[in-house]
Amino acid sequence: RKEVEQDPGPFNVPEGATVAFNCTYSNSASQSFFWYRQDCRKEPKLLMSVYSSGNEDGRFTAQLNRASQYISLLIRDSKLSDSATYLCVVNRGFQKLVFGTGTRLLVSP
Amino acid sequence: NAGVTQTPKFQVLKTGQSMTLQCAQDMNHNSMYWYRQDPGMGLRLIYYSASEGTTDKGEVPNGYNVSRLNKREFSLRLESAAPSQTSVYFCASIRDRGYEQYFGPGTRLTVT
Repeated sequence: RKEVEQDPGPFNVPEGATVAFNCTYSNSASQSFFWYRQDCRKEPKLLMSVYSSGNEDGRFTAQLNRASQYISLLIRDSKLSDSATYLCVVNRGFQKLVFGTGTRLLVSP
Repeated sequence: NAGVTQTPKFQVLKTGQSMTLQCAQDMNHNSMYWYRQDPGMGLRLIYYSASEGTTDKGEVPNGYNVSRLNKREFSLRLESAAPSQTSVYFCASIRDRGYEQYFGPGTRLTVT
């Protein structure tokens, strides 16, 4: 079993739709959590950190459930420019990050 | 402020050839990392350097060596390239107490 698991998708949604991704992690000692975005053939870039209390950044909302060991990302009012792969990332300590394989999102007109 | 830079961007090697991938960061970060990314596998850590003068193995270190030349530079060497090392290689760095990793643009390596 992978340490960080994501549904690879693709999720095909129309512009304006709301879409949610989940990610589960197996190491209960994991310390911090992130969502990264990766565009085709580009490097990953931080989208947002995920806090226990949940956090929001514009159209994006991230949630952490430590008891069930999952992280979620909600995107509201999807834009064409949101089309990308979203990587769930877990910091297990000592500055070592573990990456999920990513969930691909395709937003169509 | 260039962030993390990597050279070369693309490389084709024959089996058995050697090469060094270069990485540099200008953000004064202490920790640096090398990853490879393969379809369906996600990013996997090859080696990392928590600080200048130290290096440690990651998840997939076999076939690779690294050098932390100074605080800015962290190189990855393939001594005898194999087709299984065909991949996209990313270098990254991180602040001491911050958790965001900054990635370089990647090196696309093909071994024939």
